[in-house]
This record gives sequence, C-alpha cells and structure tokens, in this order.
Amino acid sequence: DGGITQSPKYLFRKEGQNVTLSCEQNLNHDAMYWYRQDPGQGLRLIYYSQIVNDFQKGDIAEGYSVSREKKESFPLTVTSAQKNPTAFYLCASSTGQLYGYTFGSGTRLTVV
Amino acid sequence: KQEVTQIPAALSVPEGENLVLNCSFTDSAIYNLQWFRQDPGKGLTSLLLIQSSQREQTSGRLNASLDKSSGRSTLYIAASQPGDSATYLCAASNYGGSQGNLIFGKGTKLSVKP
Repeated sequence: DGGITQSPKYLFRKEGQNVTLSCEQNLNHDAMYWYRQDPGQGLRLIYYSQIVNDFQKGDIAEGYSVSREKKESFPLTVTSAQKNPTAFYLCASSTGQLYGYTFGSGTRLTVV
Repeated sequence: KQEVTQIPAALSVPEGENLVLNCSFTDSAIYNLQWFRQDPGKGLTSLLLIQSSQREQTSGRLNASLDKSSGRSTLYIAASQPGDSATYLCAASNYGGSQGNLIFGKGTKLSVKP
C-alpha cells in the first residue's frame, strides 16, 4: 500500500543535541512538507520541498534543517538552535495542489 | 494573510445526532479546502477535499460544503457514532503562492457519547 512513513514514533533529545526525523513516501509525490503541532496552536509549516534538491522555509524554520536528495525522502533535523523542540512533528506529501495532502502518523519529540 | 478559524473548539453530542462543524477563512481566494480527522497521538487522515469551483463533497455519512463568498465551510456528520470521536481540522490552500501554503484551523474536538 502507498503511504508516508515517519520514524521513529517517539524520540527523546538531550539539551544541545541534534536529532533527525525520518519521512519516506512511496506515493510518487513531488512535494513534501514538515509541520509542527503544539497543543492549542494548530499546525505550523516548518519547511517544504516541491522538487528534489530544492526546499523552502516555512513559517517557523529557525532551528531546523532539511534535505531532499531523493524524491521519496525528506528528513528533518532539529538542531540545538531550536530552543523549544518538544512537539508533535507531521510530514506530508502532495502530487499537486489540486489533489490535497497526505499525512504520516507523526513523531513525538521530547527534550529530556 | 489567510487565517482559518474553527468554532467551537470542542463539542459533545449524544450518539445518533446529526451535527455540523464550522470552518471560516478570511481570504476567499482559496484554491481548495480540505477536512481532516486526527485521533489522539496520531497523524491526520484526509476526509474530504473541496475545490474552489465546487459547492460540496460527500463521502458516506460526511458532507462538506464550501461558500467562498461568505468565507465558510461546514462539515456535516450524519447519525454520529462513538467512533467519530476525534479532532476535526480544516485547512485552506490559496491561489498564487507556493504549494507550502496550506493554512490550518486549530480544530474542533468532537466527543460522541454512547
């Protein structure tokens, strides 16, 4: 079955540490996105990529980095510069604005 | 800048009741509007996608409408069941921008009591 796989489901980060969240899709979608979800705040866009080797900052990109070396993969690195990284992170993909978005099951990141 | 609002933030109904969830948006130049369901600790499941040229979409017991002139969309759930309990999110996608402009409301948390 086609879909989006996010891993790990739960991730714990120590202060000052970089961590990478994985997002893989087998839907053959060109565009991929990372959102952050906090209680009571809704989803906010971190980064998005419309094509391989190209990506754009979203509304809250500071403290995050991404790469898009393959169509299927769009990993998100949460760097030590992100001061409040505890949140639920959602990856999505789309084949075009006409067709809507498909989301993964999320990664919950906690700072310990 | 597009803003999406969902009211109420929470709703509790008895099983079997028909209900309407509301979504309003400030910029009528939307490309489409998508409704999602989110269960606790889970990702988003797409329910219905309405293009700007459409007035409504239906899937089973769900019907979503779109009125661009008034900046409103509604999600109608018929004969609600306890399994419908979840948070429902609407999101608007605008014209003229990148594909990274899906703007979400904060959601309505629905509880259907047996």
